[in-house]
Parts: sequence; C-alpha cells; structure tokens
Amino acid sequence: DAGVIQSPRHEVTEMGQEVTLRCKPISGHNSLFWYRQTMMRGLELLIYFNNNVPIDDSGMPEDRFSAKMPNASFSTLKIQPSEPRDSAVYFCASSLAPGNEQYFGPGTRLTVT
Amino acid sequence: QKEVEQNSGPLSVPEGAIASLNCTYSDRGSQSFFWYRQYSGKSPELIMFIYSNGDKEDGRFTAQLNKASQYVSLLIRDSQPSDSATYLCAVNLGGADGLTFGKGTHLIIQP
Repeated sequence: DAGVIQSPRHEVTEMGQEVTLRCKPISGHNSLFWYRQTMMRGLELLIYFNNNVPIDDSGMPEDRFSAKMPNASFSTLKIQPSEPRDSAVYFCASSLAPGNEQYFGPGTRLTVT
Repeated sequence: QKEVEQNSGPLSVPEGAIASLNCTYSDRGSQSFFWYRQYSGKSPELIMFIYSNGDKEDGRFTAQLNKASQYVSLLIRDSQPSDSATYLCAVNLGGADGLTFGKGTHLIIQP
C-alpha cells in the first residue's frame, strides 16, 4: 500500500508569493494532520481534519495560512503571501482516527527567500 | 496546556549497550503513547505505541509506561549505529484529540 504522499518535495519561492502544498492520505484513514518542523520549535501541529472537517486549527500561525480538504483523498495547505520565517519542513500525516498512530509523508522542504 | 518533555540530548551510548530514552507528560488524562524515530532529513517513523501500564516489547525495543508518574520510556537493546537518530515521544489525551509531540532526544550510538 502507498503511504502518505506529499508534493512538491522541495519548494523555493520568493517572499510574497503564494505557496500550495499537497497531501494524499493513506486510503481508509479518516484523520489528516498538517505539521511544521523547525530546529527551534520542533514539530508543531498546524491543523487537523477528521472526516474532511477541520477540527482544530489553533496551530495555524496567522491568516496567511489556510488549509482545505475537499475530499477524503486530498488536502492542501496554502500560504499567501509567504515570508522567510515560513521556511521549514511541512509534514502531512494520516491516521484511522484522531487518537491513533499517525503515519507521516516524506515532507515538503519550503524555502522562502 | 498539554506538554510533553524530553531531554534534547545528545545521548551518547556505546554500540551493543542499552539506550534509555525518557519522556514525561503533563496531562494525567493521557491515554495512549507513541514513540517515533526520525533520521536526519527524513520524516518521523512509528516505532511502537503503548496504552497500558507496564512494559511492551517489540524486537530490540521495549516501551515502558507508568501513568502514576506520568512517565514513558523507550529502551533499545543491543544498540546499533543505525539506531542513531532523533526519537520523538507523542501523547494522546483520547477522544478527538490528536497527538502532542515532544521535541525529541538526539541519540548517538558510538561504534
């Protein structure tokens, strides 16, 4: 079975540009999570969905960040406009239910110059 | 405020010895506990999970949970250089909550 799929794997963009990160969860998993990881702050939960519905977005840093899950097999995380401090690795993870073990995608390394 | 605390390390252990990684959590209602391994430049990989007090063994790995002390640990027996990585502890309160991750312990196995 395919694991969690993320694209792109690397993204380099200039400050002010829009960035869209994509995620396909493991088939049959009902919960999807977006994380950001930096050396300073570790792994931070940004938002998670259960059955395509956003449950907790308290980790979204500010209004420049938005996430959608239009169906059970696809989610996007958008940053508009991007800033240098958004540079990080963004992970998507999925699980059968919110409290179950999560499986991570390979991540997207974002660099904003 | 849910908190999961880990010593950042690095924790240096000679090859063949037992590596002991520790994690404490703040919420007494926490119900499930997970250990992830993350190699540099890679994504976190689930090693094992534990729900009940006591020990749970899987190959060279043993997870230990003590809910009264709010403490969970991971033991790695016969440590190998390939075990060198960052180990993340994650905790779930149950219900609709997701996982709260610690910042991880950097483990170095010295050949």
